[in-house]
Amino acid sequence: SQELEQSPQSLIVQEGKNLTINCTSSKTLYGLYWYKQKYGEGLIFLMMLQKGGEEKSHEKITAKLDEKKQQSSLHITASQPSHAGIYLCGADLPYGGSQGNLIFGKGTKLSVKP
Amino acid sequence: DSGVTQTPKHLITATGQRVTLRCSPRSGDLSVYWYQQSLDQGLQFLIQYYNGEERAKGNILERFSAQQFPDLHSELNLSSLELGDSALYFCASSVGASPIIYEQYFGPGTRLTVT
Repeated sequence: SQELEQSPQSLIVQEGKNLTINCTSSKTLYGLYWYKQKYGEGLIFLMMLQKGGEEKSHEKITAKLDEKKQQSSLHITASQPSHAGIYLCGADLPYGGSQGNLIFGKGTKLSVKP
Repeated sequence: DSGVTQTPKHLITATGQRVTLRCSPRSGDLSVYWYQQSLDQGLQFLIQYYNGEERAKGNILERFSAQQFPDLHSELNLSSLELGDSALYFCASSVGASPIIYEQYFGPGTRLTVT
């Protein structure tokens, strides 16, 4: 089963609109990352969140990790065509006390219509 | 440009063959991660090396192996290739060992096609 669920799977928004992407885990997250990927290319690091309640912003993108550390949201304000791409959340979900089992969501494909 | 380089960019080979993918981490980074990305499975963590030693293992098949050399570059060896091994293979590097402390920088990937 997928450990990290992202929603929605895809999103089409009009340029200038705000949007939110969610990433949910059934287990406590020990660090969560957000990456952006252009189709067929490498991932670009956006943000890392480590503490419950933490919120980080970069330009028009804000990410939050909820207090219980089982869900994160990525919010884009006033979307632009340059925001289009696939957004992936990733997390370290330790099994049996050992770290290193890095899990990624299946991604949210964002299209921004000019 | 992340500073992580991967070669080759594209690789087409036949079933049963063996290939080697190469990764050079960013200058100063000691950790190297390998990932496989396919349409049905998404991005899957394979293995991590830190300063030449294997640090963590994910969903890596026994037919696959990796190593990190003294100059910190890494190679991923894929053998007895099957059609299902066709995917994008990414390498990422970070300065430290812990993935929850140090961010990872991804290379552009190697697209492997097995025919």
